[in-house]
Amino acid sequence: QVQLQESGPGLVKPSETLSLTCNVSGVSMTGYHWSWIRQAPGKELDWIGYIDYSGNTNYNPSLKSRLTFSIDTSKNQFSLKLSSVTAADSAVYYCARGGGKRQIGVLDSWGHGTLITVSS
Amino acid sequence: DIQLTQSPSSLSASIGDRVTISCQASQYITKSFNWYQQKPGKAPKLLIYDASNLETGVPSRFSGRGSGTDFTLTISSLQPEDSATYYCQQYDNLPPTFGGGTKVDIK
Repeated sequence: QVQLQESGPGLVKPSETLSLTCNVSGVSMTGYHWSWIRQAPGKELDWIGYIDYSGNTNYNPSLKSRLTFSIDTSKNQFSLKLSSVTAADSAVYYCARGGGKRQIGVLDSWGHGTLITVSS
Repeated sequence: DIQLTQSPSSLSASIGDRVTISCQASQYITKSFNWYQQKPGKAPKLLIYDASNLETGVPSRFSGRGSGTDFTLTISSLQPEDSATYYCQQYDNLPPTFGGGTKVDIK
C-alpha cells in the first residue's frame, strides 16, 4: 500500500527558502509523477507542480521563478524548494502521486500534509 | 488557467437524500476531470476520475458525469460519513486547477 509522508520545518522566516521532502513507501517511484499541492487555511487546493521519476518537472507558472523540485528514487523521496517566501506562502503542503496507468493529473494517493507558516 | 466554479458552495441534506454538486469550467474540457472528498484536517481523497470512473474502494453511491464545461458529482443516498468538502479538478490544461469546494453537512 502506497504511503506518502511530508516533512518540513513548520515555521519559515519571510524571504527565506522553504524546503520540504516527501518520503514514499510501498511502491517504486518509477512510472509515476509526483506532485506538490498546497492549501491556505480555509482556501481551495492549489497545484504547485510535479516531477516525474526521470526528473522532468512542470511548475505552476505563478510559482515557477521561485521553485525547484528534485527526486531521489534510490531513497524513495522527492523534494521541493520555494525561495523568497512571504506570508502568502503559508499553507498546508501536500505531496501526492499521479500517473502510472492513469493520467498525470489523477492524484490517487496523498500525504497527510504539513503546515507551513511564514512569519518572523 | 481554466477556472472551475462549483455550486452550491455549501449545502445541508438529510440522511438518504440524493445530493448533486455542480462544477462549471471556463473552457471546454475533454474528460480530464476528477472529484475529491476532503474531511477536516485530512488530505483529499480521490472519488471519481476521468469524469465518471469510480475510484477503487469508493462506495457506489458516488457517481460523476459530464463533458465539455459542465460536470456533476452525485451522492445517491447521503450517509453520515459523507459529511465533507468536495472539490472538482481539471487537468485538461496545465496547470491543473481545482474548484472552490462544496461543503456538505448532514441535517
